[in-house]
Amino acid sequence: AQKITQTQPGMFVQEKEAVTLDCTYDTSDQSYGLFWYKQPSSGEMIFLIYQGSYDEQNATEGRYSLNFQKARKSANLVISASQLGDSAMYFCAMREGGTSGGYQKVTFGIGTKLQVIP
Amino acid sequence: NAGVMQNPRHLVRRRGQEARLRCSPMKGHSHVYWYRQLPEEGLKFMVYLQKENIIDESGMPKERFSAEFPKEGPSILRIQQVVRGDSAAYFCASSMDNRYQPQHFGDGTRLSIL
Repeated sequence: AQKITQTQPGMFVQEKEAVTLDCTYDTSDQSYGLFWYKQPSSGEMIFLIYQGSYDEQNATEGRYSLNFQKARKSANLVISASQLGDSAMYFCAMREGGTSGGYQKVTFGIGTKLQVIP
Repeated sequence: NAGVMQNPRHLVRRRGQEARLRCSPMKGHSHVYWYRQLPEEGLKFMVYLQKENIIDESGMPKERFSAEFPKEGPSILRIQQVVRGDSAAYFCASSMDNRYQPQHFGDGTRLSIL
């Protein structure tokens, strides 16, 4: 089974509108973390937001928020007030595994390409 | 710039040559990870290193690929006798710990094999 599933290969959103990028994950661990990264056409990987499995509040960072639904094993990224500069690939990632205090490996999804339309 | 530094940004090699990719982690980060990204795909884990130690190399091909993170200097990913299939973007990331802190990425090295 895929550890991280991103089912939307491509998405369009109108400038200034909000958009949700889907991510579901599969783990049997109790302690894990979820991340979103942005990769613009220039190629660099930019860390956006992090959610720990024990965090009760949804993570927010400026216009980014993570809609964490633990029972459904989903960690969707919500971008509010989209801007043209938000056009990029977006990758969901999960770290899991390892004994208490031990190393946790990170697995990435295949990404969603977001295009913001003026 | 206190971020993760990778060089070169672009590297062209002919089949059979060696490729050396360098990565200097963020200041204060002692954990380094290498990933490979093929066109239109996500990142695939290759190897995780701490200073002078390889912790997890489960994603590294068994032949031709090696990685090191010496006590002094950058981490090096070495690919010997490159083949066309090695063409990819190679990303290095670093983190402050290996469990809770996010990994911060360099800009990647785009390796092209002629």
